[in-house]
Amino acid sequence: GEDVEQSLFLSVREGDSSVINCTYTDSSSTYLYWYKQEPGAGLQLLTYIFSNMDMKQDQRLTVLLNKKDKHLSLRIADTQTGDSAIYFCAERTLNTGFQKLVFGTGTRLLVSP
Amino acid sequence: NAGVTQTPKFQVLKTGQSMTLQCAQDMNHEYMSWYRQDPGMGLRLIHYSVGAGITDQGEVPNGYNVSRSTTEDFPLRLLSAAPSQTSVYFCASSALGGGEDTQYFGPGTRLTVL
Repeated sequence: GEDVEQSLFLSVREGDSSVINCTYTDSSSTYLYWYKQEPGAGLQLLTYIFSNMDMKQDQRLTVLLNKKDKHLSLRIADTQTGDSAIYFCAERTLNTGFQKLVFGTGTRLLVSP
Repeated sequence: NAGVTQTPKFQVLKTGQSMTLQCAQDMNHEYMSWYRQDPGMGLRLIHYSVGAGITDQGEVPNGYNVSRSTTEDFPLRLLSAAPSQTSVYFCASSALGGGEDTQYFGPGTRLTVL
C-alpha cells in the first residue's frame, strides 16, 4: 500500500533556511504536493511537483524530488515567524486512483525570532 | 467566491447521537471529499465523490455516510457517534483533471464525542 512519512517537528531561527523531508513508498506517484496548515485553519496548497521533475523553485520555496529514493523535500529560504505552521506532503498515485491524495503525518515547523 | 464552506465549526455530541456535517462549494468542482485529521496521523480520506450521484469509500469509511445530490453540496453523516470519531473534519473540492488541479480545503469542523 501507499505510505507517506514525515518527521514530526522542526525548529529553526528566523532568517535560517528550513528543510522539511518526506518519504513515500508508492512508485506510481504522479504528482507530489506540499500543503501548509496554520492553526485553526484548513490546508493551503503551497506548491507541487510532477514526478518527472527533479526540482521546482517558487520564490522562497524549493522542492527537490529524488524519485529513485522516493524522497521529497521542501526548502524554505529566509524562514520567517509567519512560516510557523504544520506542513504536509501528499502524493497522487496511479494505484490509489487519480483523484485521491495520500497525506503524510505533517511536520510542525516552529520559527523562533 | 466563498470557496469551500463547512458548518458547524465546532460540535459536541454524546455517544449514540447522530448529526450531519455540512460542506458546500461554489466553484462548480466535480470532485469533493471528506478527510479526518487526528494527531500524528495526518489526513485520512473518509469518502469522496466524483460528481452528483456518485460516491465512493476512502480509507476510513466505517461509521460515516455521504450523498451527493447536487454538485455544490456533500454532507457527511454520522449515524451513531462514537468517541473514536472525535477529530477535526475537513471537506475539500477540486476540478477533475490533471494533477495541477488544486484541492481546496474548507476551514474544518472540530467534533468531540463524549
